[in-house]
Amino acid sequence: SAVISQKPSRDICQRGTSLTIQCQVDSQVTMMFWYRQQPGQSLTLIATANQGSEATYESGFVIDKFPISRPNLTFSTLTVSNMSPEDSSIYLCSVEIGGRGDTQYFGPGTRLTVL
Amino acid sequence: DAKTTQPPSMDCAEGRAANLPCNHSTISGNEYVYWYRQIHSQGPQYIIHGLKNNETNEMASLIITEDRKSSTLILPHATLRDTAVYYCIVRRAQSGSARQLTFGSGTQLTVLP
Repeated sequence: SAVISQKPSRDICQRGTSLTIQCQVDSQVTMMFWYRQQPGQSLTLIATANQGSEATYESGFVIDKFPISRPNLTFSTLTVSNMSPEDSSIYLCSVEIGGRGDTQYFGPGTRLTVL
Repeated sequence: DAKTTQPPSMDCAEGRAANLPCNHSTISGNEYVYWYRQIHSQGPQYIIHGLKNNETNEMASLIITEDRKSSTLILPHATLRDTAVYYCIVRRAQSGSARQLTFGSGTQLTVLP
C-alpha cells in the first residue's frame, strides 16, 4: 500500500482566486491521478499525471483551469484556477501501486469551498 | 471498462455479516473486480480485488461467480464503523490502457446497532 497526504485538508476561497493542492506519497510511483467529488456525487477523474510527461485530461477538464505539476515520483500538485462556486468540491489524489491487478490508493482529500 | 450495477442502499445489523452484491454482466476476461469504500467524504479506501478466484483479506471476502458476471463483498462481522458507501468497480489490468477507476453510485451500507 501507500501513505498519501494532501495539503491543505480544507480551504475556503474567494471567487476568482486560485488554489494549489499538494499530494505527497511515501514511495515512488509512476502513475498519479486527480479526482473531483462534487457535493453528493461520486468521484470523477480530472487527469492522469505521470512523471516526465504532461498530464492527460479527461473530457470536460482543461489544463488552463486545472494545471498539474508532477516534478518527481513522490509529489504532484493540482491548481484550481479562477475559481467559482461551482468548483466547490473534494479534490482527491490517488496513486497506483503495481502488482497483481495494480491497486489505486487515495489520499484523504482536500475540501474546497468557493464563496 | 465494464459497467457495474449495485443496489443504492442496504442495512445490516451490527455483528452480522454484510453481503453487498454487484452485477457486472459485461465484464471481459482481463478485467479485475475492485471494491472500495468511502466513509463520510473521506478518501476512498481500498478493500479487496479479484480476477476470477474468491479472495479474502483482513477486511473482507470477495466471492466471484463462475461466469464472473456478478460478485459479492462480504464483511463477516459488520460494525458501526463499516457504515460507508461501497463501490464495486471493474477495470482492465493491462499496462498502457486506461488506468483510472470509474466510480458509479455505489451502495450506501448502514450498520444498525
